[in-house]
Amino acid sequence: GAVVSQHPSRVICKSGTSVKIECRSLDFQATTMFWYRQFPKQSLMLMATSNEGSKATYEQGVEKDKFLINHASLTLSTLTVTSAHPEDSSFYICSAPRDSYSYEQYFGPGTRLTVT
Amino acid sequence: DQQVKQNSPSLSVQEGRISILNCDYTNSMFDYFLWYKKYPAEGPTFLISISSIKDKNEDGRFTVFLNKSAKHLSLHIVPSQPGDSAVYFCAASYGQNFVFGPGTRLSVLP
Repeated sequence: GAVVSQHPSRVICKSGTSVKIECRSLDFQATTMFWYRQFPKQSLMLMATSNEGSKATYEQGVEKDKFLINHASLTLSTLTVTSAHPEDSSFYICSAPRDSYSYEQYFGPGTRLTVT
Repeated sequence: DQQVKQNSPSLSVQEGRISILNCDYTNSMFDYFLWYKKYPAEGPTFLISISSIKDKNEDGRFTVFLNKSAKHLSLHIVPSQPGDSAVYFCAASYGQNFVFGPGTRLSVLP
């Protein structure tokens, strides 16, 4: 079946640095990918919709200058957390719909970001 | 305001019995509903879905029921197995909008 990968799976960085997280669709093309953040004991929060060839659409309350999204190709979207702070520490997950007509999402395994 | 609610944060069930996880939604625009299972430190995995034009969908041990008038859906797992222990998220969708509930932690006791 279709698989979505994320890299890295875990990353520790210092405050003030930037971290890039990659999300790849391995055997299908994804014109749209979604980025989520999971807070402890809370639900997945949709951060933004990544669109191949155009700007990402950010959800209300998500700082687009802090969470830079680039959908460079039909199989790759990147999320860059800029000038990271400890409160950015979280579990970041991406997903991609199986195809343009499907509601079903394939999720990546997630990236655990720890900012010290 | 939570558009998708799962009012039980946790549920414990004996192995072999039925697990029933509930989900309520407020937005009548939602037309497709999904259940995901999530283990710690992993991404969610899709379990089962249902379109708003149906009231039941069954896949093996998993059945989802939808009551549109009550804006309520439920996931039944029978028989429950220890490997079913995980957090279950209900999600609702229309168009590009995709909203998760807060999740219910299911523990299946041997």
